[in-house]
Amino acid sequence: GQQLNQSPQSMFIQEGEDVSMNCTSSSIFNTWLWYKQDPGEGPVLLIALYKAGELTSNGRLTAQFGITRKDSFLNISASIPSDVGIYFCAGLNYGGSQGNLIFGKGTKLSVKP
Amino acid sequence: NAGVTQTPKFRVLKTGQSMTLLCAQDMNHEYMYWYRQDPGMGLRLIHYSVGEGTTAKGEVPDGYNVSRLKKQNFLLGLESAAPSQTSVYFCASTRRQGHGYTFGSGTRLTVV
Repeated sequence: GQQLNQSPQSMFIQEGEDVSMNCTSSSIFNTWLWYKQDPGEGPVLLIALYKAGELTSNGRLTAQFGITRKDSFLNISASIPSDVGIYFCAGLNYGGSQGNLIFGKGTKLSVKP
Repeated sequence: NAGVTQTPKFRVLKTGQSMTLLCAQDMNHEYMYWYRQDPGMGLRLIHYSVGEGTTAKGEVPDGYNVSRLKKQNFLLGLESAAPSQTSVYFCASTRRQGHGYTFGSGTRLTVV
């Protein structure tokens, strides 16, 4: 079936640093979504992308829908402690997976000791 | 507006016991989903529903059953719990395919 490769699996941040993560797929997607999950909570939608090449911002977060439609990245600028959590990408191909979202395995953001 | 509500939040079962997890949404969403989340595995789709009275299998349906008798509720049943079903279960809903899902806060299930 369709799979998303999300990287990195984990990363450590220091307050003020910029963060970058991405998702790639061997399949074309029509929609890319980015979610954040805080400990003990469900994922919350951060950014939705519906068009190839689209670049969308939500505060300090910026995400792009790759031109090839097979990838997407999420950048966080000037990170703060509350950015800690797990970030998931999700993609949708209307013609596959019965129209359901496919999720990456997540990027875990932690604070450097 | 509560969004997606899952009950219970925590549960410990003995192997072989049965239980039902309840998901309720008040957003009049057509589509509802049950996922399980395990370390390093991300979110895996168990079953889903595209409307009242419909259900379909996802990626990991074995050992689970579901029902969608009312549009706002989606029930996940475990007939005979196994330790492999120890996980965090999330319910989600959406108005239309291709749009972002709204997730509940999860049910942490331990089977001993």
